[in-house]
Amino acid sequence: QKEVEQDPGPLSVPEGAIVSLNCTYSNSAFQYFMWYRQYSRKGPELLMYTYSSGNKEDGRFTAQVDKSSKYISLFIRDSQPSDSATYLCSSGGDYKLSFGAGTTVTVRA
Amino acid sequence: EAGVTQSPTHLIKTRGQQATLRCSPISGHTSVYWYQQALGLGLQFLLWYDEGEERNRGNFPPRFSGRQFPNYSSELNVNALELEDSALYLCASGRKAYNSPLHFGNGTRLTVT
Repeated sequence: QKEVEQDPGPLSVPEGAIVSLNCTYSNSAFQYFMWYRQYSRKGPELLMYTYSSGNKEDGRFTAQVDKSSKYISLFIRDSQPSDSATYLCSSGGDYKLSFGAGTTVTVRA
Repeated sequence: EAGVTQSPTHLIKTRGQQATLRCSPISGHTSVYWYQQALGLGLQFLLWYDEGEERNRGNFPPRFSGRQFPNYSSELNVNALELEDSALYLCASGRKAYNSPLHFGNGTRLTVT
């Protein structure tokens, strides 16, 4: 079993819709959580970083962590075609950091 | 602030050769991580260096090795290249220890023929 599981999609939504991305993790030692966005032929770009359960907002992006159920979510409001990319969740702790497989998102104009 | 820089951008080698990939972290970052991103396999953890020491290693054979220099830059060496080593190799850096968010470079695309 992978330590971080993520539905690879692909996910296609119309412009303006809310994009909902989810991951689960299995390692109880994981203490911090990140979301990355990766455009084609580029390295992953850090979007959100959090180390506690609850919500964290940054503009149109909201990261949600539920440590009791080991569930990580990312919501993108008012999605734009420029949000089309692969989104990677990651979780880490104790000198270990694992990534999900990534979800490819397409926002249709 | 300059980001993580990796060189070369592309590298073409033949099977059995050795490849050396280089990474310069963001100024002030002491940790460097290496990941392999093969098509359809996601990010696979290779190596983690902090303050010049190897802190953790992923499930890769010993022919994948590396080091971190006193200026915190890092080098990844892959010996006896195999066709399945063809992938994007990503370097990331972080401020300190294990709970720092990582910042990635744009990778080195290694092609083994």
